Amino acid sequence: QQQVKQSPQSLIVQKGGISIINCAYENTAFDYFPWYQQFPGKGPALLIAIRPDVSEKKEGRFTISFNKSAKQFSLHIMDSQPGDSATYFCAASMNRDDKIIFGKGTRLHILP
Amino acid sequence: NAGVMQNPRHLVRRRGQEARLRCSPMKGHSHVYWYRQLPEEGLKFMVYLQKENIIDESGMPKERFSAEFPKEGPSILRIQQVVRGDSAAYFCASSPPREIGANVLTFGAGSRLTVL
Repeated sequence: QQQVKQSPQSLIVQKGGISIINCAYENTAFDYFPWYQQFPGKGPALLIAIRPDVSEKKEGRFTISFNKSAKQFSLHIMDSQPGDSATYFCAASMNRDDKIIFGKGTRLHILP
Repeated sequence: NAGVMQNPRHLVRRRGQEARLRCSPMKGHSHVYWYRQLPEEGLKFMVYLQKENIIDESGMPKERFSAEFPKEGPSILRIQQVVRGDSAAYFCASSPPREIGANVLTFGAGSRLTVL
């Protein structure tokens, strides 16, 4: 059973455009939703995270939008740059349970 | 701060051999997690440990796989009698004690296991 569903599997965006990656979750007990960025040959690194008491969080060009009633959240990358080309993972966890459940990832390619 | 250190970075084993992957957490981190990554499959949780204690091993295969985090030394993920399907990247992550920070994982660069 996949607890965090991520789409699309791959995404190509022109430089300067907006990249949007979507995730949906099943378990209403999840209360922490991070996004991780992974470059080839490297481990994932925390990019930005949100808790369900807010609907949006912005850090520079990266924004998480969160819809608690729909059990969905998304990552928006504004003014996408070739250096943003990487695999992005959404994830979720519960306060009382420390493991983080990851989506299957989105391979993002920004065209120069 | 050297971050999360994993070794070896690459490991080649023949079917039936044993693989041992090591992970040293970040300084000050007391929690260690192991994840397996297969192409198109994302990161699959395997096990979560604290020193001398397995907290959650719900993602570990029932046979051939074991993990430990001793009082002294690195955490070790051990795979006995490897099969071709064990070929994957294995990532270790660590996090600070829960009372300091919640759920913030720092990943190592991974160990890539190839089974011939």
